[in-house]
Amino acid sequence: KQEVTQIPAALSVPEGENLVLNCSFTDSAIYNLQWFRQDPGKGLTSLLLIQSSQREQTSGRLNASLDKSSGRSTLYIAASQPGDSATYLCAVSPPNDYKLSFGAGTTVTVRA
Amino acid sequence: GAVVSQHPSWVICKSGTSVKIECRSLDFQATTMFWYRQFPKQSLMLMATSNEGSKATYEQGVEKDKFLINHASLTLSTLTVTSAHPEDSSFYICSVLGIGGADEQYFGPGTRLTVT
Repeated sequence: KQEVTQIPAALSVPEGENLVLNCSFTDSAIYNLQWFRQDPGKGLTSLLLIQSSQREQTSGRLNASLDKSSGRSTLYIAASQPGDSATYLCAVSPPNDYKLSFGAGTTVTVRA
Repeated sequence: GAVVSQHPSWVICKSGTSVKIECRSLDFQATTMFWYRQFPKQSLMLMATSNEGSKATYEQGVEKDKFLINHASLTLSTLTVTSAHPEDSSFYICSVLGIGGADEQYFGPGTRLTVT
């Protein structure tokens, strides 16, 4: 059974600092990995999707890397802003299946 | 990406009653939808996979007779919580499986269920 772990569980940084969020998974046989943002009481917004054949994806200030062999992904958020405050979730799907296994998330607070 | 809506956004019901939650794909036809449950400060747990025109596939430990799923059209899936109890209080989120090779999932805004 796939286990997804996110460390740290919570993070507080001053505005402008770069954020580094970690995600690890126990079974390296994945189809893709997605990073999501969740605001309190809201649904999920997809940030980045990395297919298993890729090593990274970038979108604006966000960059996600994937090392499938070691079962790790890292989400980098450059020059953080108070509006980046949210919970960030990573999720992986296995080959030949669409089911996502989620980590518990990292709750980020960016202080103005 | 796909636009997904859920209705209602929040609902309070009395113990023993049933509640229906709708999930709609607004801009494309979704043959596959998923239902998740999220307890406070915990991550999302997949409850079931909803396939248009066929029976839903439930994850281990999820009671299919308690959580009835109907996916009667390509744009609508419903989750009915039957004989709800306080322990069913949770945040229920649906997602639709996007078309194309990446198989990205797009999520609805969620429904907060409180059973008193």
